[in-house]
Amino acid sequence: GAGVSQTPSNKVTEKGKYVELRCDPISGHTALYWYRQSLGQGPEFLIYFQGTGAADDSGLPNDRFFAVRPEGSVSTLKIQRTERGDSAVYLCASSSRLTSGRNEQFFGPGTRLTVL
Amino acid sequence: GESVGLHLPTLSVQEGDNSIINCAYSNSASDYFIWYKQESGKGPQFIIDIRSNMDKRQGQRVTVLLNKTVKHLSLQIAATQPGDSAVYFCAEGGYNQGGKLIFGQGTELSVKP
Repeated sequence: GAGVSQTPSNKVTEKGKYVELRCDPISGHTALYWYRQSLGQGPEFLIYFQGTGAADDSGLPNDRFFAVRPEGSVSTLKIQRTERGDSAVYLCASSSRLTSGRNEQFFGPGTRLTVL
Repeated sequence: GESVGLHLPTLSVQEGDNSIINCAYSNSASDYFIWYKQESGKGPQFIIDIRSNMDKRQGQRVTVLLNKTVKHLSLQIAATQPGDSAVYFCAEGGYNQGGKLIFGQGTELSVKP
């Protein structure tokens, strides 16, 4: 079956602009996660959805970052007034913890965001 | 604070040899650990996981060992192949409650033919 997909694969924007990053989780996965990965570092947690609601948004760095998952499937990560420091690979993962009982997270290929 | 770290940032092995990648964690409350493999330009790929009620788990060519006494995790890859070349991350989290995973910085494994 299809894995986690993310669009776009690459996004180049100018400082101060607004961007949206999309994640399509594995069908039937109720949990969805966003992580950010800087060069040479491990992924860093941003936010976690269980169904439509954000169960943990403690990793969002500031109020310029926001994510939604209105129908419990596709999620959009939104970044307002982008800054050069936002440049990173944004990873999405999903898991079927409620059915498998495990927190095994499957990752998408990521969106590489470059803020000029 | 919580952290997951790796002892060796780079590891170079000969094709056919066994590889061992190590990881230390600091949160004794973590009860679930995962190893991921990440190739250049791709997202992390699940390799194997282990719960804290186990000390060893085997997969295909891979074995994960967990030593809770010293908070140490290792990934053993048997008969390492060129296709195993990648960055390997360990991550810790909760088993039943879901939620975030905390990743270490990664170890780059290079396999020489």
